[in-house]
Amino acid sequence: EVQLVESGGGLVQPGGSLRLSCAASGFTFSNYWMHWVRQAPGKGLVWVSRINSDGSRTGYADFVKGRFTISRDNAKDTLYLQMTSLRAEDTAVYYCVTEKNDYDVLTGVRSYYFDYWGQGTLVTVSS
Amino acid sequence: SSELTQDPAVSVALGQTVRITCQGDSLRNYYASWYQQKPRQAPVLVFYGKNNRPSGIPDRFSGSSSQNTASLTITGAQAEDEADYYCNSRDSSRNHPHWVFGGGTKVTVI
Repeated sequence: EVQLVESGGGLVQPGGSLRLSCAASGFTFSNYWMHWVRQAPGKGLVWVSRINSDGSRTGYADFVKGRFTISRDNAKDTLYLQMTSLRAEDTAVYYCVTEKNDYDVLTGVRSYYFDYWGQGTLVTVSS
Repeated sequence: SSELTQDPAVSVALGQTVRITCQGDSLRNYYASWYQQKPRQAPVLVFYGKNNRPSGIPDRFSGSSSQNTASLTITGAQAEDEADYYCNSRDSSRNHPHWVFGGGTKVTVI
């Protein structure tokens, strides 16, 4: 059974730092690209960051670039999100998700999708 | 603001059909994926690609796409389908790949 278990959330002051972890099990973690997605209270889903399977390539949403760093330890089957210079607007539940993609040979169009989600960890930025 | 546009809310009578739409330029290059989220739960993938339903998702969920619009249809809506639904796609419009979600559609089954 695939499991993604996030941890590390909590209350932090504006300008502070926090590191989130996501422990993966039930699948070959090192084969998967991974993402972080967040959801502010009462709001919609927002993509935050992604990392390729060996950790050599990363990408970020513009609003976290330079402040957040995604990384992974394939030996420990764990994904991380180091968050610095936190702002009130970073308050959200942060989800760890797996990425897959599907290619339709008839149309030549690809889809990328998030097939497994953790339960999320809440980050609250407040003084 | 979302780069994928969804209607904020829609209602459907029990057993009837409802279509949720998602519009955006990224959908001209990639198929959408769709997620169902019930209160206080993590999202669940319900449809992706041209015509793919994950294992365990009822066949009353179907999808389609044309040009810059993707749709998720629930045929014969059940009470348990009441939830928020989000579309998502990869977007290569900037100098780096990123992913975008629609703002979500709240489906109410009446």
